[in-house]
Amino acid sequence: NAGVTQTPKFRVLKTGQSMTLLCAQDMNHEYMYWYRQDPGMGLRLIHYSVGEGTTAKGEVPDGYNVSRLKKQNFLLGLESAAPSQTSVYFCASRTRQGITPEQYFGPGTRLTVT
Amino acid sequence: AQSVTQLGSHVSVSEGALVLLRCNYSSSVPPYLFWYVQYPNQGLQLLLKYTSAATLVKGINGFEAEFKKSETSFHLTKPSAHMSDAAEYFCAVHQGAQKLVFGQGTRLTINP
Repeated sequence: NAGVTQTPKFRVLKTGQSMTLLCAQDMNHEYMYWYRQDPGMGLRLIHYSVGEGTTAKGEVPDGYNVSRLKKQNFLLGLESAAPSQTSVYFCASRTRQGITPEQYFGPGTRLTVT
Repeated sequence: AQSVTQLGSHVSVSEGALVLLRCNYSSSVPPYLFWYVQYPNQGLQLLLKYTSAATLVKGINGFEAEFKKSETSFHLTKPSAHMSDAAEYFCAVHQGAQKLVFGQGTRLTINP
C-alpha cells in the first residue's frame, strides 16, 4: 500500500495563476481532508469530504475549491493564487469504520506564490 | 467547540533527559485525543491516541501520554530523549463527526 500520496511535491506559482493539487489514497477510506500548515499555527482545515461526490468547508476555505469525483482522489484547486497561499499543504484520509478516528497523512506539497 | 493548546512552541532537552510536551484540551464531551509527530520535510505520523480505554497510553518510539480529566490535559512524555526524537509534535482533539483540531505544535530539539 502506498497510503496517501500527493502530487506535486513542490510548486512555485506567480500571483494570479491557477493550479490543482492531487491527493490519492489506496486504503478505501471514506473521509478525506485538505490542510494547510503555517509556522506557529499548526494545521488548519481547508475543506473535507465524507464521501464520493460530497465536499464541505473547513476552517479556512476562502480562495480554494475541491472536488471528490472518485472515492480515492481528492483535488484541491487554487483559481487565482495569492502570496497568502504560500504554505505546505497536507492531505489526509480516514475510515468511517471503527471508534478511533485517526487520520493518515500524505507527505505534503510545498507551494510558494510569488 | 473543542480546542487544543500546546504550551511551549519550542522545547529543548539534552540527550538522555526526560521529554515532557504539554497539551491541554477543551471539550464538552469525552474526547478522542491524539499526538502526531512530524519529522523534517515529512507528513504527520500518529504517535498515540486516547480513546477512553485506559488513561495511560503507550505509543511508538517509547512515548506515552496520560489523560487527566481533572486537569483537561494529555501531556506527552518519554523517559530518555534520543537524537532521533528531534521533530515537531502536534496534539489534536476529535471534533464533531469528522474533524480533528490541532494545536500549534511544539518543536523538540535534542542537545548532544
